[in-house]
Amino acid sequence: EAGVAQSPRYKIIEKRQSVAFWCNPISGHATLYWYQQILGQGPKLLIQFQNNGVVDDSQLPKDRFSAERLKGVDSTLKIQPAKLEDSAVYLCASSLGHLNTEAFFGQGTRLTVV
Amino acid sequence: QQPVQSPQAVILREGEDAVINCSSSKALYSVHWYRQKHGEAPVFLMILLKGGEQKGHDKISASFNEKKQQSSLYLTASQLSYSGTYFCGVLNAGNNRKLIWGLGTSLAVNP
Repeated sequence: EAGVAQSPRYKIIEKRQSVAFWCNPISGHATLYWYQQILGQGPKLLIQFQNNGVVDDSQLPKDRFSAERLKGVDSTLKIQPAKLEDSAVYLCASSLGHLNTEAFFGQGTRLTVV
Repeated sequence: QQPVQSPQAVILREGEDAVINCSSSKALYSVHWYRQKHGEAPVFLMILLKGGEQKGHDKISASFNEKKQQSSLYLTASQLSYSGTYFCGVLNAGNNRKLIWGLGTSLAVNP
């Protein structure tokens, strides 16, 4: 079974530039998550999709971050414009169901904003 | 409300045991445990759904004390492969749409 695919693996941008991350979840997984993980901390949920609808985006900085899930499958997360404090690993995860089901994580995208 | 994990870091010799605790100030609906090795993605260990529930996975087990609003992860006869950062994630009763993760416990197992 193919895992969660993310690209790119690494990205370095200057502040105020824009960046986009892509995620392809495990086939058949209805729930997709985007997490931000700052070095030395636990993952912080940015947005959660159930199929192509948003379940929770309460911690997404909507003035600069946006996300969409195309046709309930792939998803993109965009930052525009980026700030220094956005430097982190962005993890995409998917699960079959909502709430109490195992989440499978992608390898993540390490973003460095300089 | 972010759960509190303790200890922050543990260093073990191979074969030793360890306990990692995860406490919440709010009533818990469920507790999720993940392990993340350096530079890798988190990997699922187990979910505990009910107060008093205990689960085991190889020599890693966990318990969920609903009254104390706490879960403990037990690593028995640790192996080198157990090294990594252990995270608990909690779903709070009444606001159980979003998993909130602790800061993690770093575990190093040395030969």
